[in-house]
Amino acid sequence: DADVTQTPRNRITKTGKRIMLECSQTKGHDRMYWYRQDPGLGLQLIYYSFDVKDINKGEISDGYSVSRQAQAKFSLSLESAIPNQTALYFCATSDPRTSTGELFFGEGSRLTVL
Amino acid sequence: ILNVEQSPQSLHVQEGDSTNFTCSFPSSNFYALHWYRWETAKSPEALFVMTLNGDEKKKGRISATLNTKEGYSYLYIKGSQPEDSATYLCAFLNQAGTALIFGKGTTLSVSS
Repeated sequence: DADVTQTPRNRITKTGKRIMLECSQTKGHDRMYWYRQDPGLGLQLIYYSFDVKDINKGEISDGYSVSRQAQAKFSLSLESAIPNQTALYFCATSDPRTSTGELFFGEGSRLTVL
Repeated sequence: ILNVEQSPQSLHVQEGDSTNFTCSFPSSNFYALHWYRWETAKSPEALFVMTLNGDEKKKGRISATLNTKEGYSYLYIKGSQPEDSATYLCAFLNQAGTALIFGKGTTLSVSS
Protein backbone atom coordinates (compact mmCIF):
# COMPACT_ATOMS: atom_id res chain seq x y z
CA ASP A 1 0.00 0.00 0.00
CA ALA A 2 1.19 3.51 -0.81
CA ASP A 3 2.36 5.67 2.10
CA VAL A 4 0.76 8.74 0.52
CA THR A 5 -2.67 8.06 -0.96
CA GLN A 6 -4.67 10.40 -3.15
CA THR A 7 -8.35 10.10 -4.05
CA PRO A 8 -9.79 10.23 -6.59
CA ARG A 9 -7.06 9.23 -9.04
CA ASN A 10 -9.04 10.51 -11.98
CA ARG A 11 -11.96 12.90 -12.13
CA ILE A 12 -13.86 14.59 -14.93
CA THR A 13 -16.13 17.43 -13.95
CA LYS A 14 -17.90 20.44 -15.39
CA THR A 15 -17.17 24.13 -15.07
CA GLY A 16 -18.62 25.60 -11.87
CA LYS A 17 -18.69 22.36 -9.89
CA ARG A 18 -17.08 22.03 -6.48
CA ILE A 19 -14.33 19.43 -6.35
CA MET A 20 -12.37 18.04 -3.42
CA LEU A 21 -9.14 16.06 -3.74
CA GLU A 22 -8.16 14.08 -0.68
CA CYS A 23 -4.72 13.12 0.52
CA SER A 24 -3.91 10.82 3.41
CA GLN A 25 -0.53 9.59 4.63
CA THR A 26 0.75 6.88 6.93
CA LYS A 27 4.30 8.22 7.18
CA GLY A 28 3.64 10.28 10.31
CA HIS A 29 5.02 13.42 8.68
CA ASP A 30 3.96 16.84 9.93
CA ARG A 31 4.44 18.64 6.62
CA MET A 32 2.11 18.23 3.67
CA TYR A 33 1.92 19.94 0.30
CA TRP A 34 -0.26 20.22 -2.78
CA TYR A 35 1.43 20.68 -6.16
CA ARG A 36 -0.02 21.05 -9.61
CA GLN A 37 1.67 19.79 -12.77
CA ASP A 38 0.93 21.15 -16.23
CA PRO A 39 2.78 19.95 -19.32
CA GLY A 40 6.00 21.92 -19.75
CA LEU A 41 5.58 23.74 -16.45
CA GLY A 42 7.00 21.35 -13.87
CA LEU A 43 5.47 21.28 -10.39
CA GLN A 44 3.90 24.44 -9.01
CA LEU A 45 3.15 24.77 -5.29
CA ILE A 46 -0.50 25.48 -4.46
CA TYR A 47 -0.66 25.26 -0.65
CA TYR A 48 1.36 23.75 2.14
CA SER A 49 0.86 22.93 5.80
CA PHE A 50 3.49 22.39 8.50
CA ASP A 51 1.07 21.17 11.16
CA VAL A 52 -2.60 20.63 11.90
CA LYS A 53 -4.54 23.86 11.28
CA ASP A 54 -1.44 25.50 9.75
CA ILE A 55 -2.13 26.70 6.19
CA ASN A 56 0.21 28.60 3.87
CA LYS A 57 -0.26 29.84 0.32
CA GLY A 58 2.09 28.72 -2.39
CA GLU A 59 2.86 30.10 -5.85
CA ILE A 60 -0.60 29.56 -7.37
CA SER A 61 -3.22 29.47 -4.59
CA ASP A 62 -5.92 31.53 -6.32
CA GLY A 63 -9.03 29.45 -6.98
CA TYR A 64 -8.05 26.78 -4.44
CA SER A 65 -8.53 26.20 -0.72
CA VAL A 66 -7.22 23.53 1.63
CA SER A 67 -8.05 21.95 4.96
CA ARG A 68 -5.72 20.24 7.45
CA GLN A 69 -7.93 18.87 10.22
CA ALA A 70 -5.64 15.98 11.13
CA GLN A 71 -1.94 15.24 10.79
CA ALA A 72 -2.58 12.46 8.30
CA LYS A 73 -5.00 14.30 6.02
CA PHE A 74 -4.71 17.32 3.75
CA SER A 75 -7.54 18.07 1.33
CA LEU A 76 -7.58 20.42 -1.64
CA SER A 77 -10.81 22.06 -2.81
CA LEU A 78 -11.78 23.83 -5.98
CA GLU A 79 -14.90 25.80 -5.02
CA SER A 80 -15.93 26.49 -8.61
CA ALA A 81 -13.83 24.56 -11.08
CA ILE A 82 -12.74 26.18 -14.34
CA PRO A 83 -11.16 24.57 -17.42
CA ASN A 84 -7.67 26.01 -16.79
CA GLN A 85 -7.59 24.01 -13.56
CA THR A 86 -7.35 20.87 -15.66
CA ALA A 87 -4.06 19.37 -14.50
CA LEU A 88 -2.33 16.57 -12.61
CA TYR A 89 -2.34 17.25 -8.87
CA PHE A 90 0.22 15.80 -6.48
CA CYS A 91 0.12 15.62 -2.72
CA ALA A 92 3.46 15.28 -0.92
CA THR A 93 4.79 14.98 2.62
CA SER A 94 8.08 15.67 4.33
CA ASP A 95 9.57 15.14 7.77
CA PRO A 96 11.11 18.29 9.30
CA ARG A 97 13.17 16.13 11.69
CA THR A 98 15.35 14.84 8.85
CA SER A 99 18.20 16.89 7.43
CA THR A 100 17.30 16.02 3.85
CA GLY A 101 13.73 17.32 3.78
CA GLU A 102 12.96 15.17 0.76
CA LEU A 103 9.39 15.01 -0.45
CA PHE A 104 7.37 11.80 -0.65
CA PHE A 105 4.70 12.02 -3.32
CA GLY A 106 1.31 10.44 -3.80
CA GLU A 107 0.39 8.84 -7.11
CA GLY A 108 -1.35 11.93 -8.44
CA SER A 109 -4.94 12.94 -9.17
CA ARG A 110 -5.75 13.79 -12.75
CA LEU A 111 -8.53 16.38 -12.94
CA THR A 112 -10.29 17.39 -16.14
CA VAL A 113 -12.67 20.35 -16.09
CA LEU A 114 -14.94 20.56 -19.13
CA ILE B 1 9.83 35.31 -6.89
CA LEU B 2 12.30 32.44 -6.82
CA ASN B 3 13.27 31.15 -10.25
CA VAL B 4 14.63 27.67 -10.86
CA GLU B 5 15.69 26.99 -14.44
CA GLN B 6 16.50 23.63 -16.00
CA SER B 7 18.12 22.94 -19.35
CA PRO B 8 17.69 21.41 -21.76
CA GLN B 9 13.91 21.01 -21.66
CA SER B 10 14.22 17.61 -23.33
CA LEU B 11 16.82 15.44 -24.98
CA HIS B 12 17.05 12.15 -26.75
CA VAL B 13 20.13 9.93 -26.55
CA GLN B 14 21.16 6.46 -27.63
CA GLU B 15 21.72 3.63 -25.20
CA GLY B 16 25.25 3.82 -23.86
CA ASP B 17 25.60 7.59 -24.29
CA SER B 18 26.50 9.69 -21.28
CA THR B 19 24.57 12.88 -20.72
CA ASN B 20 24.14 15.75 -18.31
CA PHE B 21 21.60 18.43 -17.49
CA THR B 22 21.75 21.73 -15.67
CA CYS B 23 19.72 23.30 -12.88
CA SER B 24 20.26 26.96 -12.00
CA PHE B 25 18.83 28.60 -8.90
CA PRO B 26 19.20 31.77 -6.79
CA SER B 27 22.66 31.80 -5.17
CA SER B 28 21.55 33.91 -2.20
CA ASN B 29 19.93 32.41 0.90
CA PHE B 30 20.63 28.88 -0.29
CA TYR B 31 19.58 25.98 1.95
CA ALA B 32 19.19 22.84 -0.18
CA LEU B 33 18.91 21.57 -3.74
CA HIS B 34 16.92 18.45 -4.54
CA TRP B 35 16.88 16.22 -7.62
CA TYR B 36 13.86 14.03 -8.35
CA ARG B 37 13.28 11.38 -10.99
CA TRP B 38 9.77 11.15 -12.40
CA GLU B 39 8.81 8.21 -14.60
CA THR B 40 5.63 8.32 -16.66
CA ALA B 41 2.55 7.19 -14.71
CA LYS B 42 4.49 7.11 -11.44
CA SER B 43 5.22 9.52 -8.61
CA PRO B 44 8.37 11.64 -8.49
CA GLU B 45 11.05 10.05 -6.31
CA ALA B 46 14.01 11.74 -4.67
CA LEU B 47 17.44 11.07 -6.17
CA PHE B 48 19.65 13.46 -4.24
CA VAL B 49 19.43 16.18 -1.61
CA MET B 50 22.46 18.46 -1.60
CA THR B 51 23.27 21.17 0.90
CA LEU B 52 27.01 21.93 0.78
CA ASN B 53 28.88 23.92 -1.84
CA GLY B 54 31.10 21.55 -3.82
CA ASP B 55 29.02 18.55 -2.78
CA GLU B 56 29.01 15.61 -5.15
CA LYS B 57 26.62 12.69 -4.77
CA LYS B 58 26.40 9.42 -6.66
CA LYS B 59 23.84 6.66 -7.00
CA GLY B 60 24.87 3.95 -9.45
CA ARG B 61 25.41 5.55 -12.86
CA ILE B 62 23.84 8.85 -11.80
CA SER B 63 25.75 11.61 -10.06
CA ALA B 64 25.19 15.26 -9.21
CA THR B 65 27.35 18.24 -8.33
CA LEU B 66 26.50 21.49 -6.58
CA ASN B 67 27.88 25.02 -6.81
CA THR B 68 25.98 27.24 -4.39
CA LYS B 69 28.15 30.33 -4.97
CA GLU B 70 27.23 30.55 -8.65
CA GLY B 71 23.83 28.88 -8.28
CA TYR B 72 23.95 25.74 -10.40
CA SER B 73 23.86 21.97 -10.14
CA TYR B 74 24.65 19.35 -12.78
CA LEU B 75 23.11 15.89 -13.02
CA TYR B 76 25.17 13.31 -14.93
CA ILE B 77 24.07 9.95 -16.26
CA LYS B 78 26.85 7.65 -17.40
CA GLY B 79 26.07 5.01 -20.01
CA SER B 80 22.36 5.82 -20.37
CA GLN B 81 19.93 2.90 -20.44
CA PRO B 82 16.31 2.84 -21.67
CA GLU B 83 15.14 2.57 -18.05
CA ASP B 84 16.72 5.99 -17.39
CA SER B 85 14.01 7.54 -19.56
CA ALA B 86 12.14 9.92 -17.27
CA THR B 87 11.71 13.56 -16.38
CA TYR B 88 14.38 14.84 -14.01
CA LEU B 89 13.26 17.65 -11.72
CA CYS B 90 15.39 19.89 -9.57
CA ALA B 91 13.98 21.87 -6.67
CA PHE B 92 15.38 24.69 -4.54
CA LEU B 93 14.85 25.40 -0.87
CA ASN B 94 15.97 28.73 0.55
CA GLN B 95 16.95 29.51 4.13
CA ALA B 96 13.41 30.48 4.98
CA GLY B 97 12.80 26.78 4.55
CA THR B 98 9.21 27.11 3.54
CA ALA B 99 8.68 24.79 0.62
CA LEU B 100 10.52 23.48 -2.41
CA ILE B 101 10.29 25.43 -5.65
CA PHE B 102 10.63 23.19 -8.69
CA GLY B 103 12.11 23.78 -12.11
CA LYS B 104 10.20 22.69 -15.22
CA GLY B 105 12.24 19.53 -15.59
CA THR B 106 14.39 17.88 -18.24
CA THR B 107 12.75 14.98 -20.07
CA LEU B 108 15.24 12.31 -21.11
CA SER B 109 14.46 9.66 -23.70
CA VAL B 110 16.95 6.82 -24.21
CA SER B 111 16.65 4.63 -27.29
CA SER B 112 17.97 1.09 -27.42
